[in-house]
Amino acid sequence: DAKTTQPPSMDCAEGRAANLPCNHSTISGNEYVYWYRQIHSQGPQYIIHGLKNNETNEMASLIITEDRKSSTLILPHATLRDTAVYYCIVRVARDDKIIFGKGTRLHILP
Amino acid sequence: EAGVTQFPSHSVIEKGQTVTLRCDPISGHDNLYWYRRVMGKEIKFLLHFVKESKQDESGMPNNRFLAERTGGTYSTLKVQPAELEDSGVYFCASSQLGGLAGLPYEQYFGPGTRLTVT
Repeated sequence: DAKTTQPPSMDCAEGRAANLPCNHSTISGNEYVYWYRQIHSQGPQYIIHGLKNNETNEMASLIITEDRKSSTLILPHATLRDTAVYYCIVRVARDDKIIFGKGTRLHILP
Repeated sequence: EAGVTQFPSHSVIEKGQTVTLRCDPISGHDNLYWYRRVMGKEIKFLLHFVKESKQDESGMPNNRFLAERTGGTYSTLKVQPAELEDSGVYFCASSQLGGLAGLPYEQYFGPGTRLTVT
């Protein structure tokens, strides 16, 4: 079973920042937080990952709380192409399978 | 650099027939994974190859499913005989082997094969 909890759906206006929350209260010390998304009819796409520190790349930012029990994925300027299901995943520090939960369906509104 | 490719993109077969799905990972990726999503359900892990060896096949639903990765390059997933409940989208993903620190590299997914069993 997935070890994360996410809201089933969210709306965000185009051009605004989309903030997607994730709870992972049982995360252990060697587990990373990963985010993937699946745009309709495509394969899942890696977005970002982190362990303790906040991370930023060209797609998004990841904010992890100090106790590591929750995190937030931030898409700074959402576009219609960001409409997708977003998955928050915790993975151990090895080449492990991904356990997908239900994710958050993000709707970007024009 | 080419991404993960899967063939065919769609397959429609009758119950009882055999189907073989193919996955070509990104060149140099030793990890290869198979996942599937059946209608209305979450994406589920099927199995994991490291090079040509099966590392974890705990997600394989039953012995009608056979995965191979001869030579550690492309992989095939055969379903024989296919049943109605096998319908869904089958995804393949690949990644590099983790480094000394054990960091799990991100997995790159293919576009999937949509299998319909009638």
